[in-house]
Amino acid sequence: AQTVTQSQPEMSVQEAETVTLSCTYDTSENNYYLFWYKQPPSRQMILVIRQEAYKQQNATENRFSVNFQKAAKSFSLKISDSQLGDTAMYFCAFSGYGANSKLTFGKGITLSVRP
Amino acid sequence: GAGVSQSPSNKVTEKGKDVELRCDPISGHTALYWYRQSLGQGLEFLIYFQGNSAPDKSGLPSDRFSAERTGGSVSTLTIQRTQQEDSAVYLCASSSTPPSEQYFGPGTRLTVT
Repeated sequence: AQTVTQSQPEMSVQEAETVTLSCTYDTSENNYYLFWYKQPPSRQMILVIRQEAYKQQNATENRFSVNFQKAAKSFSLKISDSQLGDTAMYFCAFSGYGANSKLTFGKGITLSVRP
Repeated sequence: GAGVSQSPSNKVTEKGKDVELRCDPISGHTALYWYRQSLGQGLEFLIYFQGNSAPDKSGLPSDRFSAERTGGSVSTLTIQRTQQEDSAVYLCASSSTPPSEQYFGPGTRLTVT
């Protein structure tokens, strides 16, 4: 079984600044996916970014990038130029292959962007 | 195109009653997942469908919970004899090629009184 740990329950950042959200995971699998999902107060889960474990290059999506350290089982999310609309819960999640493709989530972190 | 839809968006029921929650996945998505989100337990996996079969139903918390999927499309999650601890938001997600990204519906908030 795999586990996902997000140890910071909440963070705050000034608008336009950069913030990093931490995530560690544990698995015995070699091939898997990692994701960051965003859940604003509207409750809609939105995919922010994904990383395939066999790819060494860190994924980037506009202002969002990850630092994927496979050996350390670490997967942090960096948000650059933070915007008020980034205020939300952020969940780190793990997915295996085949019948193990369900998402295993961390407990989430509440991010507040201050104007 | 249309995203994942769920109905109802909110459901209030009395303890002991049965409820049915519905999920319409994105057209063409073969994989469908149910999750539950509650304050105490966070986000928990319930069941995974590939087509009409369920290769992983390990997350169903008790035999009061069941789910089916027909025609490789719509899925229904049924909770029998509801208990107060069943109160949560029930989320459905679908995917075209697991384990690629899952697309989530808006959820059904279930309140058991």
